[in-house]
Amino acid sequence: NAGVTQTPKFRILKIGQSMTLQCTQDMNHNYMYWYRQDPGMGLKLIYYSVGAGITDKGEVPNGYNVSRSTTEDFPLRLELAAPSQTSVYFCASSNPTDANYGYTFGSGTRLTVV
Amino acid sequence: GENVEQHPSTLSVQEGDSAVIKCTYSDSASNYFPWYKQELGKGPQLIIDIRSNVGEKKDQRIAVTLNKTAKHFSLHITETQPEDSAVYFCAGLNTGGFKTIFGAGTRLFVKA
Repeated sequence: NAGVTQTPKFRILKIGQSMTLQCTQDMNHNYMYWYRQDPGMGLKLIYYSVGAGITDKGEVPNGYNVSRSTTEDFPLRLELAAPSQTSVYFCASSNPTDANYGYTFGSGTRLTVV
Repeated sequence: GENVEQHPSTLSVQEGDSAVIKCTYSDSASNYFPWYKQELGKGPQLIIDIRSNVGEKKDQRIAVTLNKTAKHFSLHITETQPEDSAVYFCAGLNTGGFKTIFGAGTRLFVKA
């Protein structure tokens, strides 16, 4: 069982470039999330989705976009990359039930914008 | 807005000692409190959680306590081992909503 898979693991972008961070999960979880983690800081929610075709903004959505065409995939798009987007990005999923509200995280994508 | 404060930001203990990490939440509607462990280069992993209708929960060397009145909850690790060294995040969630609010994290060092 792979869980949550993120690609790539590392990426260096030049200012103004665009890229898509991929996230896929094989647990049939309805809820998926994108977080960013800046050095020494906690996790900030960028976007989340409660099911295929439904997405919503989190705390720090500016400069990002998402789509959720399938239950499994939740890609994060960066348009016109800026140095402020240098961070580690984590995708997570959950299936809220009475038994378990916890998240399963991917291993992260470390992005540097220069 | 909702907030979860976590202390200390860094904690260093000798192997075999206990470690305690404390969190305070602001949203009185929060009713689910997970703790995540993040090892170097990896994503956070859920290690224990507690619901608002429970005061304490234990799992081997780790335990979590919750004081709803004071809006405090804590993680206790006993008989610490070097492999406990990691960043620990507390979090709070209103299970009627969608967004888990995370604390800023505590970096735990266990010295052999």
